Amino acid sequence: EVQLVQSGVEVKKPGESLKISCKGSGYNFSTYWFAWVRQMPGKGLEWIGIIYPVDSDTRYSPSFQGQVTISADRSISTAYLQWSSLKASDTAVYYCATSSASHIWFDPWGQGTLVTVSS
Amino acid sequence: EKVMTQSPDTLSVSPGERATLSCRASQSVSTNLAWYQQKPGQAPRLLIYDASTRATGIPARFSGSGSGTEFTLTISSLQSEDFAVYYCQEYHNWPLFTFGPGTKVNIK
Repeated sequence: EVQLVQSGVEVKKPGESLKISCKGSGYNFSTYWFAWVRQMPGKGLEWIGIIYPVDSDTRYSPSFQGQVTISADRSISTAYLQWSSLKASDTAVYYCATSSASHIWFDPWGQGTLVTVSS
Repeated sequence: EKVMTQSPDTLSVSPGERATLSCRASQSVSTNLAWYQQKPGQAPRLLIYDASTRATGIPARFSGSGSGTEFTLTISSLQSEDFAVYYCQEYHNWPLFTFGPGTKVNIK
């Protein structure tokens, strides 16, 4: 069974950097892409981007290009989402999910990481 | 960039009644569409993929239909556990994706 486990709650100040993680288990890592999704408080789901850890092929939503960086370490089956300088508007729950050429839709999802940015 | 819209924003339904949710794409996505259910404090859960195929473990009361730009999610007889927010997602140009804004299904 494929499982995704995300890193824990983060509380940061504006201007700080942050890297959150998503670790996969129970599957052939080379088959799947890792996607990231943002959900701001009380709002809907927004696709941020996606990475194929085997060759680090990465795609971003135009809305998030240049705002975040997605990376991965295939040796530990983990994908990352990072910010170099957080803003209060980055406060949200961030989900990871897997996708593949044969299972394009997002399934399964991680449990979510709450990021709060406040001075 | 494709734009997905969903209607209505909120749907009030009594338990046991039928609920019909709509999703529209700004350009054709063929049948490259999924539906997700999200309950408060939980991660989204896949319900339907390829517009009409139920995901593993999803009850038969959930059904999806449509192609091109118009899609429908139908819940034939709402159960208490079905009150949630439902999102559509297109993946026509994988690995690029777009979500709809969601429809909240409330208890009437």
